[in-house]
Amino acid sequence: QQQVKQSPQSLIVQKGGISIINCAYENTAFDYFPWYQQFPGKGPALLIAIRPDVSEKKEGRFTISFNKSAKQFSLHIMDSQPGDSATYFCAASMGGGFKTIFGAGTRLFVKA
Amino acid sequence: DADVTQTPRNRITKTGKRIMLECSQTKGHDRMYWYRQDPGLGLRLIYYSFDVKDINKGEISDGYSVSRQAQAKFSLSLESAIPNQTALYFCATSDGEFYGYTFGSGTRLTVV
Repeated sequence: QQQVKQSPQSLIVQKGGISIINCAYENTAFDYFPWYQQFPGKGPALLIAIRPDVSEKKEGRFTISFNKSAKQFSLHIMDSQPGDSATYFCAASMGGGFKTIFGAGTRLFVKA
Repeated sequence: DADVTQTPRNRITKTGKRIMLECSQTKGHDRMYWYRQDPGLGLRLIYYSFDVKDINKGEISDGYSVSRQAQAKFSLSLESAIPNQTALYFCATSDGEFYGYTFGSGTRLTVV
């Protein structure tokens, strides 16, 4: 009940295309859903996050879509760029962040 | 200077040796965490601390111990390293109100 399932494991997208990464959770007590971006040799960095009282959040080219009834959320990267090539982790948190479960990660490669 | 600094960045050690990974932060956050990253498994919580007097086990604490020397310092020890502890280790902080984490750049540990 604590798992966060992330797909796909890897993704190749043409420059200018849309990258879509999906996550599903089980525990309805989670109340914060962040996405992290990790470049090689670096730690994950918070990219964008959403709370379950909204269905969508957009920041620049990055959008989270949230479906509370299906217990699913996804990251959309519009106009994908080679600089977006990184590993992306979804996560689900509760309790002020002390319980955060991460997905297994998606390696995104954007072809120039 | 980085908000969260981890030392060393890379370490190779022998089976059975004791090793300490150190983390210091300038964010002023009370909450600190140690995570382990393995390919295909995402990030898994080893230990977390909400203040200097508060230490809690995470999902995979066996074989590890921690010490919170000050608000800004949180170290992770492997008492007797074994090869399956070869992984990337990340320290993170959060302020508890905003759920997002700030991660360090990681320590790549190899146990031979």
